[in-house]
Amino acid sequence: AAGVIQSPRHLIKEKRETATLKCYPIPRHDTVYWYQQGPGQDPQFLISFYEKMQSDKGSIPDRFSAQQFSDYHSELNMSSLELGDSALYFCASSINRDSYEQYFGPGTRLTVT
Amino acid sequence: AQTVTQSQPEMSVQEAETVTLSCTYDTSESNYYLFWYKQPPSRQMILVIRQEAYKQQNATENRFSVNFQKAAKSFSLKISDSQLGDTAMYFCAFMNHLRGGSNYKLTFGKGTLLTVNP
Repeated sequence: AAGVIQSPRHLIKEKRETATLKCYPIPRHDTVYWYQQGPGQDPQFLISFYEKMQSDKGSIPDRFSAQQFSDYHSELNMSSLELGDSALYFCASSINRDSYEQYFGPGTRLTVT
Repeated sequence: AQTVTQSQPEMSVQEAETVTLSCTYDTSESNYYLFWYKQPPSRQMILVIRQEAYKQQNATENRFSVNFQKAAKSFSLKISDSQLGDTAMYFCAFMNHLRGGSNYKLTFGKGTLLTVNP
């Protein structure tokens, strides 16, 4: 069965650079969630989208922005990167906004040097 | 805001034995879901078991079962016949059940690192 795809799997950037993380949900899933997991931390909710509209927002820095496209894939854009942005970024998808089942991707490991 | 507390940062168990991981949560809502996720060294988030708050019967998935005490806001995970492959970080997570336009974001506890020893 198809799973959530995230790219790239690993990304190394320098401070003050920008990064773009991509998430491709399971086919026919229209809801996407982004989570950030710092080293030794629990995942923290960043933002979610339903039908290409932002539906909820968590502790996402103003330097980050995200969107969902017409094919339901989502991109997380991160600017002015800081060392503290180094983390594992998960994307999860649901079949719709009323579903409690979230399917997680493998994550993108971002390292800021 | 909801909070999830896992009071055991680390636990260990011998292979084939039983272990229980603790989780408590705080919420003013009456309808919600509770989850246990497993994160092995690969860092993949794997759903272990799910409990709907409106169900009194405790969920069970093969060797994994929960003890859900709604009044006490407690949600523990029991792993029977522990296997080496159960070695992982285990996260307890809470999700509100809000129909009519709200998405279901997960709030996680800090995790319990479980090591299964041969």
